[in-house]
Amino acid sequence: GNSVTQMEGPVTLSEEAFLTINCTYTATGYPSLFWYVQYPGEGLQLLLKATKADDKGSNKGFEATYRKETTSFHLEKGSVQVSDSAVYFCALMNQAGTALIFGKGTTLSVSS
Amino acid sequence: DTAVSQTPKYLVTQMGNDKSIKCEQNLGHDTMYWYKQDSKKFLKIMFSYNNKELIINETVPNRFSPKSPDKAHLNLHINSLELGDSAVYFCASSQERLGGYTFGSGTRLTVV
Repeated sequence: GNSVTQMEGPVTLSEEAFLTINCTYTATGYPSLFWYVQYPGEGLQLLLKATKADDKGSNKGFEATYRKETTSFHLEKGSVQVSDSAVYFCALMNQAGTALIFGKGTTLSVSS
Repeated sequence: DTAVSQTPKYLVTQMGNDKSIKCEQNLGHDTMYWYKQDSKKFLKIMFSYNNKELIINETVPNRFSPKSPDKAHLNLHINSLELGDSAVYFCASSQERLGGYTFGSGTRLTVV
């Protein structure tokens, strides 16, 4: 079945550090892949997405590249800010296109 | 204007009670969803409706019953509440099959 595996958190970084949050998936075919962010007390917001192999999604300095060889969609940012502190979710769209399947989330905490 | 709005934001109730959570979207989307987020932040799809028609009904106790009076609304009614129902419930909507979802800000349900 479909599943998403994210690195365990929490991830604790200093401001301006480089961020990587690993995400791998198991799915039939080539699903669309997403990263969502959840700030404290809020709902999830779409951060970026990629719909086919080798696509790179990017937004607000975050990037992720769809790698079908390694079934991965790692999230990266060159220089994190305190305001990036949140929970990050990797997700895939199931084959029927009827539901997003989420990873368990990775908490990022950035200190100044 | 809020795109996906849920009410109430917080709900504290006793075991055995019946409660409802309401969701409305003003985006003109055709599909709406209910997700449950547990205390460890894990998100799991519960229901999906497309144009008032049930598309997904995951393994959820039949004490949970969704109702969609029109495509802009998807309410969640829960009978005979149990301690294990305590969680944050998120409503979401989408238009394209491969597009991102827009989430509400969540309803934190606490059963005591």
